[in-house]
Amino acid sequence: EVQLVESGGGLVKPGGSLRLSCAASGFTFNSYNMHWVRQAPGKGLEWVSSISSSYSSYIYYADSVRGRFTISRDNAKNSLFLQMDSLRAEDTAVYYCARPSVNDYADFDYWGQGTLVTVSS
Amino acid sequence: EIVLTQSPGTLSLSPGERATFSCRASQSISSYLAWYQQKPGQAPRLLIYDASNRATGIPARFSGSGSETDFTLTISSLEPEDFAVYYCQQRVNWPPITFGQGTRLEIK
Repeated sequence: EVQLVESGGGLVKPGGSLRLSCAASGFTFNSYNMHWVRQAPGKGLEWVSSISSSYSSYIYYADSVRGRFTISRDNAKNSLFLQMDSLRAEDTAVYYCARPSVNDYADFDYWGQGTLVTVSS
Repeated sequence: EIVLTQSPGTLSLSPGERATFSCRASQSISSYLAWYQQKPGQAPRLLIYDASNRATGIPARFSGSGSETDFTLTISSLEPEDFAVYYCQQRVNWPPITFGQGTRLEIK
């Protein structure tokens, strides 16, 4: 059974940092590109970042987070990460990791349960 | 960036009725459109990919159609568990991956 389990969310002050993790199981993690999607309270879905299955192919960021967030992965540990620095109030959201249905696609058939990040003083 | 516009914002229907959701793209996306359902407190669930293909385990009452810029998600006969928010998403030209703003389906 495919499982994605996020962790690392919490309350942080503006300007602070958090590192989110996503533990993957039930599939061959190193064969899939992986993605982060967020959802602000009461709002819609917003793509955040993507990383290719192998480190050397691509990393992409939404304009709203570029230069502040860093996506990475550890294929040996079946884990995806999102390092979030210089956090702003508008980064408050539930953050989901998501797996595409087919590796080179970008529609998502598996999602984690999400981890809530709250940026507030 | 491709903008997806969903309509209506809210749909009020009764169980057993037919629901139709619209998603319009700001430029052609061929058939590279997905639909998701999201219930409160839950992650989104993939319903339809590539405009008209049901994802694994999705009931046959859900169907998708359209191409280029105009897409439709139809639920043929609403079940109580179908009341949720529905999002469309394009993957033809990314980054960025973009989502529509969502349509809320509520019980009338």
